[in-house]
Amino acid sequence: DQQVKQNSPSLSVQEGRISILNCDYTNSMFDYFLWYKKYPAEGPTFLISISSIKDKNEDGRFTVFLNKSAKHLSLHIVPSQPGDSAVYFCAAGGSNYKLTFGKGTLLTVNP
Amino acid sequence: DTAVSQTPKYLVTQMGNDKSIKCEQNLGHDTMYWYKQDSKKFLKIMFSYNNKELIINETVPNRFSPKSPDKAHLNLHINSLELGDSAVYFCASSTQLAGFKETQYFGPGTRLLVL
Repeated sequence: DQQVKQNSPSLSVQEGRISILNCDYTNSMFDYFLWYKKYPAEGPTFLISISSIKDKNEDGRFTVFLNKSAKHLSLHIVPSQPGDSAVYFCAAGGSNYKLTFGKGTLLTVNP
Repeated sequence: DTAVSQTPKYLVTQMGNDKSIKCEQNLGHDTMYWYKQDSKKFLKIMFSYNNKELIINETVPNRFSPKSPDKAHLNLHINSLELGDSAVYFCASSTQLAGFKETQYFGPGTRLLVL
C-alpha cells in the first residue's frame, strides 16, 4: 500500500526555468513532510520540510507547498540549475516516528 | 570526515550465506536507522534504535538482526541470505527519533547482491 506517491518517475527542465515535483499522500495522520535529494551512489540528503500546520515553506531557491485538503505537496525549484539534477524523494511522517518515502522523481536540468 | 559511514559499499554473496553490514556515525546522534531500497526504488524503514534501544521493528524477516553496541554504531546481520534480499541498504541517524525537526543523515548505502 503506497501511502506516499510520486507519480512522475522523471522530469526534464531547462536551466533557469522552474522545476515542479509533485507528491500525493493517502494517510491523513501524517503531520510533517520532507523532501530529500539523492545523487547516484550517495545517500539521500535533506532538502526542505513542512509541518502540516503550514501551507508553504521557503528556503532559497526551494519552496514546498502543502495542500492538506487535496493531500498533495509540491516542491518548486526556481531557477533550476544543472547541479539540481538528482532523484528527489518525498517523505511523510507522523507520531509513530517513522518516515514513509515515495519512489522518487529523477530531475534532469539541461544546460 | 564522513558523517555516516557504511561498510562494505558493495557486497556480492551466495544464497544461504550470513553477512553483516556495519554503520557508524560521528555526529553524536542518539538515533540510528536501517532502510532498504528495493528494486522498485522504495526506501522502507526496517529498524530504528534510540540510545541503543530498539524502537522500530518493521515487518522484517527474523533473519535480519540489528545490533547496536553503542550509540555511534548500528550493524545489520543477515542470516541465510535469499535472492530477495538483494537491495541497497541505507543507514541513517538523527539527533532524536524522527520528527519534523529531526533531519535524518544517510550513509552512502551498501549494495547487496545475492546470487
